[in-house]
Amino acid sequence: GAVVSQHPSWVICKSGTSVKIECRSLDFQATTMFWYRQFPKQSLMLMATSNEGSKATYEQGVEKDKFLINHASLTLSTLTVTSAHPEDSSFYICSARGAGDPYEQYFGPGTRLTVT
Amino acid sequence: GDSVTQMEGPVTLSEEAFLTINCTYTATGYPSLFWYVQYPGEGLQLLLKATKADDKGSNKGFEATYRKETTSFHLEKGSVQVSDSAVYFCALGAGAGSYQLTFGKGTKLSVIP
Repeated sequence: GAVVSQHPSWVICKSGTSVKIECRSLDFQATTMFWYRQFPKQSLMLMATSNEGSKATYEQGVEKDKFLINHASLTLSTLTVTSAHPEDSSFYICSARGAGDPYEQYFGPGTRLTVT
Repeated sequence: GDSVTQMEGPVTLSEEAFLTINCTYTATGYPSLFWYVQYPGEGLQLLLKATKADDKGSNKGFEATYRKETTSFHLEKGSVQVSDSAVYFCALGAGAGSYQLTFGKGTKLSVIP
């Protein structure tokens, strides 16, 4: 149980275009989803926290107009990178939290974004 | 702010060797502490956790004890296997309400036969 999927697993896009990444909780309802960014040999950096049906809360330094997060249902959250630039190339990871232990997050396998 | 420092990797061990991955933290209040593991091609999975001082978390032969006096949560295993090869992340959770996690940089472990 407690499986989280991400789609796509990797994507290449051209500079200036937008790309959408989906995060789904497959067998539980996720009241909260988190989006992280991970650089090589670096920790996971929390980008934003989203609760179903409400606006995402972005961490300091994360541009909310560039990284659009939508959490429209209890099983789906999307991250759209708008007007992508090469510096947005990274590994994006989502996690979801259910109704149990509030600190227990279930992680997706990640999406590798490369902007050319 | 909260932070987690864990030993730099990569760590390479022979099968059946003893493993220690050091983790120290800085936090206000009394955080919960976690170890997550990421196997190749998979998402992070919770390995073990401890929610208060002197608690010992354990799972799959791994152990870690919450040491408030040294602000540490070192991960140990007495005899590693090839299947333990993965990246290990120490994390803390603090701040009731947001329940966000703060992660260390991760330590890559490779176990060779």
